[in-house]
Amino acid sequence: ALLVQSGAEVKKPGESLKISCKGSRYSFSSYRIGWVRQMSGKGLEWMGIIYPGGSKTRYSPSFEGQVFISVDTSITTAFLEWNNLKASDTAMYYCARQEDIAVVGDSSRGPFDVWGQGTMVTVSS
Amino acid sequence: EIVLTQSPATLSVSPGERATLSCRASQTVSSNFAWYQQRPGQAPRLLIYSVSIRATDIPARFSGSGSGTEFTLTISSLQSEDFAVYYCHQYNDWPETFGGGTKVEIK
Repeated sequence: ALLVQSGAEVKKPGESLKISCKGSRYSFSSYRIGWVRQMSGKGLEWMGIIYPGGSKTRYSPSFEGQVFISVDTSITTAFLEWNNLKASDTAMYYCARQEDIAVVGDSSRGPFDVWGQGTMVTVSS
Repeated sequence: EIVLTQSPATLSVSPGERATLSCRASQTVSSNFAWYQQRPGQAPRLLIYSVSIRATDIPARFSGSGSGTEFTLTISSLQSEDFAVYYCHQYNDWPETFGGGTKVEIK
């Protein structure tokens, strides 16, 4: 299984951006895809996930309304999108595949077993 | 939101020695808990999931233990490639969360 992310981006505050994460060598529609932020020299932050086929998304409250996660299963690609970038969005962004290991309540859960190489986003005037 | 607190922040260990890393959750996460390794300039890599199950191709010197709110990652004999940052992750509750990381450095 492989996740390949789009290349580094340099944007200005207020601009829009959509980065991508293409899955291959596995059944893309059978797994959730999550997005994780890592600011320079800092730890990992869970942003949100999208369910197989794009049927449902879940966001961390820290990122809800700030980013939009989508998927196009026809091209086995997930996306992370901003409409109004801020300097504080400058970070490395990773996509990752989430396995189904356990059921909690009404949803399957699991770790991130395959990671993309990361997309560096720089927002600067 | 479940807060994961890792300790220590930095661990200085000599090659060949044992390293013990801790992660405490602010509330129970059952066994829905994982550890990742991140080497400089690389993406994270899954080491352990469901508290104690090694991921594919992870060497036996890595082991995980714990339950509920207290978890431990043990590296039995540190190799040069093990000097990295380690993160814990709970996938039991929304939003999922990561710990702040423990950096394992050469003593």
